[in-house]
Amino acid sequence: EVQLVESGGGLIQPGGSLRLSCAASGFTVSSNYMSWVRQAPGKGLEWVSVIYSGGSTYYADSVKGRFTISRDNSKNTLYLQMNSLRAEDTAVYYCARELSSSSLDVWGKGTTVTVSS
Amino acid sequence: QSALTQPASVSGSPGQSITISCTGTSSDVGGYNYVSWYQQHPGKAPKLMIYEVSNRPSGVSNRFSGSKSGNTASLTISGLQAEDEADYYCSSYTSSSTLGVFGGGTKLTVL
Repeated sequence: EVQLVESGGGLIQPGGSLRLSCAASGFTVSSNYMSWVRQAPGKGLEWVSVIYSGGSTYYADSVKGRFTISRDNSKNTLYLQMNSLRAEDTAVYYCARELSSSSLDVWGKGTTVTVSS
Repeated sequence: QSALTQPASVSGSPGQSITISCTGTSSDVGGYNYVSWYQQHPGKAPKLMIYEVSNRPSGVSNRFSGSKSGNTASLTISGLQAEDEADYYCSSYTSSSTLGVFGGGTKLTVL
């Protein structure tokens, strides 16, 4: 079964760091474009970052320089390292697989990140 | 402000058809056939319903259909059912960014 399972969310103080993980099963992370998408409480979806199968990475302006997307091929796992966290980063973070250009066909259930003192 | 514009809410009665619009520009919706639609129930992850304007993934009901005219894409749901009540988001490839863009979302209420 094709599946994504996120972990690593939690309550963190402003300025802190968290690393989110997204374990994949049923397909190979490194052979696909993989994205992180977030949803702030009561708000819409926001594309955060993408890593291409070739390894290129891209970020939303709102997280550029603070977040880093990566993957571990041996663990078939996607990561999002989040540094210098701000209150506005509070959201549910989803990892997702890209089916075709900007179309996400497999989503995890999400992990919640709360940035608050 | 979202890059793509959707109505905040739409409603319909069971059995009726509704259409949700998604308006962008020639840099996204109008310029490429890479528009997708997602359904999201409260507390759940989004689910892909339509990709590449009008294609349905395996397992998605044929009551859901997509189309595009100029800079506006549309999602039509026919034979509305209670379980269709959810938030719907469009997304598109855009030449203005290395990431895709989402619409602000539309809340569908089945009366």
